[in-house]
Amino acid sequence: GQQVMQIPQYQHVQEGEDFTTYCNSSTTLSNIQWYKQRPGGHPVFLIQLVKSGEVKKQKRLTFQFGEAKKNSSLHITATQTTDVGTYFCAGVDSNYQLIWGAGTKLIIKP
Amino acid sequence: KAGVTQTPRYLIKTRGQQVTLSCSPISGHRSVSWYQQTPGQGLQFLFEYFSETQRNKGNFPGRFSGRQFSNSRSEMNVSTLELGDSALYLCASSKWPGQDPFFYGYTFGSGTRLTVV
Repeated sequence: GQQVMQIPQYQHVQEGEDFTTYCNSSTTLSNIQWYKQRPGGHPVFLIQLVKSGEVKKQKRLTFQFGEAKKNSSLHITATQTTDVGTYFCAGVDSNYQLIWGAGTKLIIKP
Repeated sequence: KAGVTQTPRYLIKTRGQQVTLSCSPISGHRSVSWYQQTPGQGLQFLFEYFSETQRNKGNFPGRFSGRQFSNSRSEMNVSTLELGDSALYLCASSKWPGQDPFFYGYTFGSGTRLTVV
């Protein structure tokens, strides 16, 4: 079946370093969404990308959608302790069904 | 406006029992989805309802069922509980796009943490 692979599973960074998570789909996506789940919390919608090659920014977060609409990335510049959590991508297929990545857990080393 | 409300927040049940979880979506949201999340795991899709009809279903056994009422509130039921059913159950609501090609983000509730002993 259709899958969205998300890597890495975990990433340890020093505070102030950058962080990137990647999602790759086996098929073309209609659009892709990104969510953040803080420890002990629930996923919170961050953003949606719709257009091929789209790039969106939210302060220190940069989201990209690939030209072929099969891959996406989230990059955080100069991580802060408030960035800790698990970041999920979710691709929307042609049937408006969400296909979730397994998530990348961001751990900030003291 | 009020968010997605899930009740109860915590639940402890014994193996073999059944449980019903409730979800009230954001006003105006007609799509409700249910997910199971276990420690260190991602989000496992259970099912999605729209206008009282199940639109999609994940790969879970028939012990897991759900329904949606005319006011968009939803319930999920798990019968004959097993130890492995211990998890955080999350409900999420969204606007259903209908003819609109754009898909809105899901708003999640805080979840029901179910422990089976």
